[in-house]
Order: sequence, then structure tokens, then C-alpha cells
Amino acid sequence: DAKTTQPTSMDCAEGRAANLPCNHSTISGNEYVYWYRQIHSQGPQYIIHGLKNNETNEMASLIITEDRKSSTLILPHATLRDTAVYYCIVRVGGDSNYQLIWGAGTKLIIKP
Amino acid sequence: NAGVTQTPKFQVLKTGQSMTLQCAQDMNHNSMYWYRQDPGMGLRLIYYSASEGTTDKGEVPNGYNVSRLNKREFSLRLESAAPSQTSVYFCASSTKGRRNTEAFFGQGTRLTVV
Repeated sequence: DAKTTQPTSMDCAEGRAANLPCNHSTISGNEYVYWYRQIHSQGPQYIIHGLKNNETNEMASLIITEDRKSSTLILPHATLRDTAVYYCIVRVGGDSNYQLIWGAGTKLIIKP
Repeated sequence: NAGVTQTPKFQVLKTGQSMTLQCAQDMNHNSMYWYRQDPGMGLRLIYYSASEGTTDKGEVPNGYNVSRLNKREFSLRLESAAPSQTSVYFCASSTKGRRNTEAFFGQGTRLTVV
């Protein structure tokens, strides 16, 4: 069963920050939160992941609440090419043998 | 650098036919995975292989078999295809280790069973 809950869809204006929320209230202490996106039914693309601390890379920032029950993916300056389905995922298992438990995702539409 | 390559990209099967989906990665990754994605849903893990020579069941293994042929290749076989197996199939690979655990996905195989 999916361990995450996300809005079905969201809109964001081009050039603005897109903030995608995710609830994972049953997450365990050693389970990571991952974000992937999928454009036009292509293969999913890794974005970012984190455990407790906030994370940032060239694509996005990940803000995880202190109780780890929810997180937010931030795309700082959304472009039209960021239109995609964004999946918030919990990773279960250890580093050498893990599984990603996928939910249904959020369809993000970037509008001109 | 090709990444993860899946063949074929499209396939139509009749109920009861068999086929093998091929997957190869050129990133020297230890772990490989097969997922299926049904319309409007996230991915579900069918089988995975944590390293060469090992395979394990995921969430939805029934009706499928896998072979980790070598470090590069991980194939998925449908012995007797059923309409319920109509789906998009994705292969993925990843490294072990704490610092680089993101998975890389292929472009998918769109399978229709009639």
C-alpha cells in the first residue's frame, strides 16, 4: 500500500515557485522520502531525496517537517517543461536492498 | 551513455502467448528493477535484483518470472499473457550505497494483451 498522500493536481504560473505537498504520516524513522517526476508517460526521472534534513540540488528543494509526517517539494522557478506528474515516494528497506513505494502522484500544470 | 535500454517499446500479444521483455544498463549498477504502471496510477514493483545472481519478488509478482542474466541485463518473462497484464512496463537500475541511491529508468514497454 502507498504510504504517501498527495493532491491529485495543481497549477502554477510560469516563473513562480511551485510547492508540492506530500503527507507521509506513517513513515518510519529510517525510511527516506524520494521525489520523482514523469513527463508524458516517459520513464520517471529522479529529483531529490531526504531523511530528516532539508535538501537542495540543482533541480529542487525538499523541506521535511520536524516530525517527518509531511514534506514539500519546491521548484523555485517553474518553467513550462516542468509540467509533469510528481511522485512523492517512501523508500523502505536498507541501502543495499530497498523498494520504492509509489502513490498516484500530483499532476502539476505550469501555465504561461 | 545510453543509461537503461528496454526492448521492445511496443508489443501486442494474444491471451496465452508468452514473451520476454529485455532490459540492459551500462552504468555498472548492482540493483535492477521491473515495475508496471497502469493508467492514472503510480508504479508497482514486480521483481527486483539487488545484485547479480539474486532476484526477489515485489508487490505484484504473480504471472511473471525474471532472470538476472549478468550485471547488465535483467529480463522479465510473461509465460501466459492475460488481459490484466496490459500495462506499461519500466525497468530501472540503481547503485547500492548511501550517497547515490536514485534509480534510473528506461523509456518503458507498452504492452497490450488482447
